[in-house]
Amino acid sequence: SYVLTQAPSVSVAPGQTATITCGGDKIESKSVHWYRQKPGQAPVVVVLDDHDRPSGIPERFSGSNSGNTATLTISRVEAGDEADYYCQVWDIGTDHPQVFGGGTKVTVL
Amino acid sequence: QVELQESGPGLVKASQTLSLTCSVSGGSISRGPYYWSWIRQPPGKGLEWIGNIYLNGITYYNPSLKSRITISLDTSKNQFSLDLTSVTAADAAVYFCARLRVERRGPFEYWGQGARVTVSS
Repeated sequence: SYVLTQAPSVSVAPGQTATITCGGDKIESKSVHWYRQKPGQAPVVVVLDDHDRPSGIPERFSGSNSGNTATLTISRVEAGDEADYYCQVWDIGTDHPQVFGGGTKVTVL
Repeated sequence: QVELQESGPGLVKASQTLSLTCSVSGGSISRGPYYWSWIRQPPGKGLEWIGNIYLNGITYYNPSLKSRITISLDTSKNQFSLDLTSVTAADAAVYFCARLRVERRGPFEYWGQGARVTVSS
């Protein structure tokens, strides 16, 4: 089945840029969605379809997808951005059509 | 605004069946194109997809759980349900229900708040 690889953790100072990557074989051929999950809460979509933002998500959140890596970028990081972030894709035609990455814990220093 | 809410026992005995229901408001589960899904998260771990059901009743299950899972729809109550048989400690988790957009292979757009399930011996 398709595997998405994320670094377990990323640390960033307030006001700096956090870069969260999601690796997968030819992931550029898939639509990648990103979720933010704060402790005790359900995940929330922050980027969908590689680079679109749902209403209510700040422009500081952006996404890209090329080659074997999709990237979620959080600009001008704030304390409230501290959370776990997950990528997710569809793996069509397989017996495991929905795949999540392992998640990246973003710590704001 | 679509809202989902999980309900069911928070404590299940090992070897018994875990049964959860997701109540949907703000939209009909009979209207597509969406999958209605279950996802779980063991304590301190990541998200694990459990399975999907479409409005026509077609289901897709995680192969690692397939032999123990049933997901069903109750359109009259605008609910869908999860049954997981023969539970073990490894099934202890927060269980989320969610709506998955089918168009352009979209995201899990809406999530319930989650139901914590503990497995006792």
